[in-house]
Amino acid sequence: DAGVIQSPRHEVTEMGQEVTLRCKPISGHNSLFWYRQTMMRGLELLIYFNNNVPIDDSGMPEDRFSAKMPNASFSTLKIQPSEPRDSAVYFCASSSQGLAGNEQFFGPGTRLTVL
Amino acid sequence: AQTVTQSQPEMSVQEAETVTLSCTYDTSENNYYLFWYKQPPSRQMILVIRQEAYKQQNATENRFSVNFQKAAKSFSLKISDSQLGDTAMYFCAGIQGAQKLVFGQGTRLTINP
Repeated sequence: DAGVIQSPRHEVTEMGQEVTLRCKPISGHNSLFWYRQTMMRGLELLIYFNNNVPIDDSGMPEDRFSAKMPNASFSTLKIQPSEPRDSAVYFCASSSQGLAGNEQFFGPGTRLTVL
Repeated sequence: AQTVTQSQPEMSVQEAETVTLSCTYDTSENNYYLFWYKQPPSRQMILVIRQEAYKQQNATENRFSVNFQKAAKSFSLKISDSQLGDTAMYFCAGIQGAQKLVFGQGTRLTINP
C-alpha cells in the first residue's frame, strides 16, 4: 500500500506567487483532511472532505486559501497569492468510512517556504 | 475534544527507562476519541494509540499504554522500556465533532543511550 502521497515534498516560492499542493489519499478512503503545522500554532485542521464534498472549511485562514477534491483520488490546496506567513508544513491525511475515531493516515507533508 | 493541553514541552530519559507524557483535554461531548501521535525527525505523523471514551479499560499497544482518567479529563501516555527509536515529538489529540482532530502543543521526547 502506497500510503497517502503528497507533492511536492518541498516548495520554495516568492511572495505573491500561486502555490498548489497536491494529495492522493489511500485508495478506498472516503475522507480527506488538510492540516498545517507551524511552530507558533502547532497542528491545525484547515479543511476536510467526505466523499469529495467539503464538510468543514472553518480552519481555512483566508480567502487566499482554497481546496478542491475533484475525485476520490486527488485533492489540491491552493494559496494565491502566497505570503511569508504561509510558510509551514502542510499535511494531507485520509481515513475510511468517515466515522469518528477512525485512524487518519498522514502523508509525509509538504514543507512550504515563502520568501 | 475542544481543547487539548500538553504541559511538558520537552522530556529526556535514558534508554530502557519508563516515561510518562501528560495530556489534559476539555470537551462537552459524551463520547469521543483520544489519540497519541508520534512525529519522528522524518516528520511523518504516526498513530501510536487510541482510546474511546466510553471504554473504561485503558488502551495498550505493546510498550505503549495510556492512563485515561475520564473524570479528570486526563489522558497520559506511558512508554515502557524506552528505545532510541522512540525519540520524537508526541502529540495528544482528540476528536471534535465527527472527525476534526484537535492537537496539543506536543512534547519533544529524547531517549538517551
